[in-house]
Amino acid sequence: QKEVEQNSGPLSVPEGAIASLNCTYSDRGSQSFFWYRQYSGKSPELIMFIYSNGDKEDGRFTAQLNKASQYVSLLIRDSQPSDSATYLCAVPRFSGSARQLTFGSGTQLTVLP
Amino acid sequence: DAGVIQSPRHEVTEMGQEVTLRCKPISGHDYLFWYRQTMMRGLELLIYFNNNVPIDDSGMPEDRFSAKMPNASFSTLKIQPSEPRDSAVYFCASSLSENQPQHFGDGTRLSIL
Repeated sequence: QKEVEQNSGPLSVPEGAIASLNCTYSDRGSQSFFWYRQYSGKSPELIMFIYSNGDKEDGRFTAQLNKASQYVSLLIRDSQPSDSATYLCAVPRFSGSARQLTFGSGTQLTVLP
Repeated sequence: DAGVIQSPRHEVTEMGQEVTLRCKPISGHDYLFWYRQTMMRGLELLIYFNNNVPIDDSGMPEDRFSAKMPNASFSTLKIQPSEPRDSAVYFCASSLSENQPQHFGDGTRLSIL
């Protein structure tokens, strides 16, 4: 099993719909989870992080975490064409003496006008 | 506040040449990371530093790659000799501490002919 797995997509949703992005991870000891957005030709940009089971909302974005199922998701409500990007899930794993982020392969999202 | 600064933004060079990529982390961040991103392999961690000390270089692909961090505000990634398969986007990122979000620079797009 990969350390961090995401549906590679591409995922297409119409403007105004809810986009749902999913991520599973293998390390049960992971305590923090991050979602990055990467526009084509740009660098990854942090958009959400979550530490506790349940939901965390920030504007149109909601992160959902279920540690028992080792599952984290990102919901984008009222999707806009400007949300079209690749979304990367990142989970810490031990690297050397500390936990550092391991990134999933990303899900490419296209929001259709 | 200034973010992570990388230079150059683009580099095109011939196979066999030495390539040096540079990074200035966010002031006060104790961790610095070098990543490589390709379509085939996604975002890969090459090496990271804590307080200027290399902690884990297990992601460095070959002895042709080396990285240094002589002080808290500067790091280099060198490839010598370079090969066409080294062509990728190289990102530098920094974070305040372990398990904290990483902030990425704009990246260096490297093309080896």
